[in-house]
Amino acid sequence: QKEVEQNSGPLSVPEGAIASLNCTYSDRGSQSFFWYRQYSGKSPELIMFIYSNGDKEDGRFTAQLNKASQYVSLLIRDSQPSDSATYLCAVELTGNQFYFGTGTSLTVIP
Amino acid sequence: DAGVIQSPRHEVTEMGQEVTLRCKPISGHDYLFWYRQTMMRGLELLIYFNNNVPIDDSGMPEDRFSAKMPNASFSNLKIQPSEPRDSAVYFCASSNVGPIYFGEGSWLTVV
Repeated sequence: QKEVEQNSGPLSVPEGAIASLNCTYSDRGSQSFFWYRQYSGKSPELIMFIYSNGDKEDGRFTAQLNKASQYVSLLIRDSQPSDSATYLCAVELTGNQFYFGTGTSLTVIP
Repeated sequence: DAGVIQSPRHEVTEMGQEVTLRCKPISGHDYLFWYRQTMMRGLELLIYFNNNVPIDDSGMPEDRFSAKMPNASFSNLKIQPSEPRDSAVYFCASSNVGPIYFGEGSWLTVV
C-alpha cells in the first residue's frame, strides 16, 4: 500500500480558474503535510506546508487538511500558465521520514 | 544562504562502472536525505541520516548502493557496479525540523 496517493492527471484548467489538487495518505500517525511544485527538468520546490486541520492560505495558494479523512488538498486560485508543473504531495511520518506521492501534472491553458 | 549542492549535475557512464554522487547539505541542517526519481516510480526515499548517522536505509535497492556521511557538510552515494536500470535523477535534500529542501539533482545515465 502506497503511503501517499495522488491522481496523476493530467489536470487541465483555463487561465484564471481554480485548480484543485488532492492527496490521500495511509498513516494516521502522519505529522506534517507539504506541497511541492516541480517544473520539468528541475528539482521539487516547497510551496506550502500545513500541520493542523483546516485551511491555510498563502497568496493564491490554499492548503486544506482533514486528518479524520486522511486527505490534504491544494487549491490554486487565478491559475496562471506559469503554474503549469507537477505538484507533489509529501507526508512526514514519525521519525522525520518524508514520503512523496507520484505527483499530479497540471496544465494551465492560456 | 546556499542551498543543497549536488555534483555532478549530469553523469553518463558505462554499465559496470562505479558512480559516486556527492552532496553538501544546507549549513545547520541535521537531516540529509537521498531520493531517486524515475517516471515509473516517482520519488523514492533511498536513505536518510540524522546528525551524520544513517537512520533508515530500507529504501536502498540492493547491495550495489551505499551511502555515507562522514561529516555534517558532506554525503556521498555510491553505485558499484552500475546497471542501466539505475538511470534516474538522484536528489539530495536536507532539513531541520520541518520541510525538506532539495538540491538540483544528479542526472545519471548508465549505458
